[in-house]
This record gives sequence, structure tokens and C-alpha cells, in this order.
Amino acid sequence: GAVVSQHPSWVICKSGTSVKIECRSLDFQATTMFWYRQFPKQSLMLMATSNEGSKATYEQGVEKDKFLINHASLTLSTLTVTSAHPEDSSFYICSARDPDRESIGYGYTFGSGTRLTVV
Amino acid sequence: SQQGEEDPQALSIQEGENATMNCSYKTSINNLQWYRQNSGRGLVHLILIRSNEREKHSGRLRVTLDTSKKSSSLLITASRAADTASYFCATTGGGFKTIFGAGTRLFVKA
Repeated sequence: GAVVSQHPSWVICKSGTSVKIECRSLDFQATTMFWYRQFPKQSLMLMATSNEGSKATYEQGVEKDKFLINHASLTLSTLTVTSAHPEDSSFYICSARDPDRESIGYGYTFGSGTRLTVV
Repeated sequence: SQQGEEDPQALSIQEGENATMNCSYKTSINNLQWYRQNSGRGLVHLILIRSNEREKHSGRLRVTLDTSKKSSSLLITASRAADTASYFCATTGGGFKTIFGAGTRLFVKA
């Protein structure tokens, strides 16, 4: 089945530094990936849609200069939280769309998430 | 942006009982999915129902979809303690974006 690898699974960084999170589709080509953010005991909020070879589309209220997304290949998308602050501490999850699996009734495949703590 | 609401927000039942969770959404959809999330972990896809389907089964799971009411329900029969988790509905429309509902936290007591 489709597997999405996300890492790191957790990271602690100092305020003002940048953190990069990777999302890889291991056994399929993901033309579209999505990045979500989740606060404790809340739902997933879509941050941006990442298409291979083009600029990401950000949801309203998400700062694109703060959350840099790069989708340089069909199997890798990265989210970089720039100049991180404590309020950026959250759980970040990526998902990838596999059109072949979608056509036979499967949803998108999610990474295992990254817990970011900014101190 | 959030797509809609789920109810109940939290549900506590005894092992063996059935659990029903409801989801409402706001816009047109291509399909609706249900996911499960254990505390602080990634999401597990449970079932996908297309906009032209009304009901779907998978093991102990039964999902219904009413596009006229823009609502869906997830029924877990004969619940087990291991079913304790948060359950989210998610809708996919144009542009392949998947938007999540607020989620239901299910607690199954052994």
C-alpha cells in the first residue's frame, strides 16, 4: 500500500531558528501533497496545497513567507518553518494524493506527523 | 478552513455498544472520508464514500452519506476498547483539497 514517510517525528528548536520538515511518498508518485497543522485536541487545519514543480497554494491566513513549501520532485515535499516562535509549536502533518489509489476508493495517505516545540 | 461540524464532540460508551458519529459539511464534494487518529499520532484512513454513493460497509464500520443534507454518519458496531481514538470526517472537492471536520473523541470503556 501507499506509504508516506514524514520526519523528523519531533523537533525542539530555539526561537528565531528555522526548521525543515520532510514528507516523502515511498512507493508512489505524489503530484499533490498537503500540509496540515493541528493544535492539541483540535482538528487538522489545511495550511497549503503543494503541487510538484509549481508554487504552493496557501490557505487564507497562512503566511507563505513564514511557512515555506517546496515540492521539487514527485516524491518529496518540504515545509520550512522560518524564524520559529513559540506560537508555531504544533503538530504538522503532510498527506499525499495517489490518483491510482483514489480511483479505487482509498483516501489520501498521511505521514505520521511532526511535533514541533519552539522554546 | 474547517469544512463543517461533527457531533458529538465527545462520546463515551461501554465495550460492545455501538458508536455513531455524525458529520456535516458546507460545500459540494467529490467524496467524503473518515479517518482515525490515536492521541498525538498520524491519521489512519478508514473508509471513503463517493458523492454518488449512499452507504458503505467495511468490517464493523458503516458509513452513510446524504448529499441533500450535506451530512454523513459513521457507525462502529460492537465497539472495543482499542477503538478509543479521535475520528474525523474529511471532504474532498475541486482542487483535490481535503478539509477536515472538528472530530469526535471516542472513549470505549472496557
